[in-house]
Amino acid sequence: QQQVKQSPQSLIVQKGGISIINCAYENTAFDYFPWYQQFPGKGPALLIAIRPDVSEKKEGRFTISFNKSAKQFSLHIMDSQPGDSATYFCAASNQFYFGTGTSLTVIP
Amino acid sequence: DTGVSQNPRHKITKRGQNVTFRCDPISEHNRLYWYRQTLGQGPEFLTYFQNEAQLEKSRLLSDRFSAERPKGSFSTLEIQRTEQGDSAMYLCASSRDRGSGAEAFFGQGTRLTVV
Repeated sequence: QQQVKQSPQSLIVQKGGISIINCAYENTAFDYFPWYQQFPGKGPALLIAIRPDVSEKKEGRFTISFNKSAKQFSLHIMDSQPGDSATYFCAASNQFYFGTGTSLTVIP
Repeated sequence: DTGVSQNPRHKITKRGQNVTFRCDPISEHNRLYWYRQTLGQGPEFLTYFQNEAQLEKSRLLSDRFSAERPKGSFSTLEIQRTEQGDSAMYLCASSRDRGSGAEAFFGQGTRLTVV
């Protein structure tokens, strides 16, 4: 049973564009929603995280939007750069449940 | 380097053999997590420790898998009688204990290939 559902599986964006990745969860007891970035051959690294008591969190070019009633949250990458090309994972409830990942490619 | 360290980085073993992986967490972190990651998938939670106590274990973890964290420092993950389906990246992560939300730092993983 997939606790966190993530989409799309892959995403291609032009340099300077906006990348949007979506996640949905079922368990209303989850209280922490991090996003991780993973490059080939490396472990995941925390990018940004949010708690359900806020609807949005922004750190530089990265923004999490959180919709508690819909049980959905999304990652927005503004002004996407080729260096952002990586796999992105959403997660829930500390580090216990991860989405299936989104492979982002930013075309120069 | 004060990050999470995993050894070995790569392991090739024959089906039926036992393997053991080691994880050295960041020294002041008292939580330690093990995950399995297959190609194109997100990390799957296997188990986690608070200091030396194993507090949660995924039902995905069969009886052939065992993890220890003696003295609350490094941890080992052993897989007995390996099967081809065990081939995956095994990731370790550690975090402080500040309730939910403590940032987890991942190691680079051990890639296991069972032939």
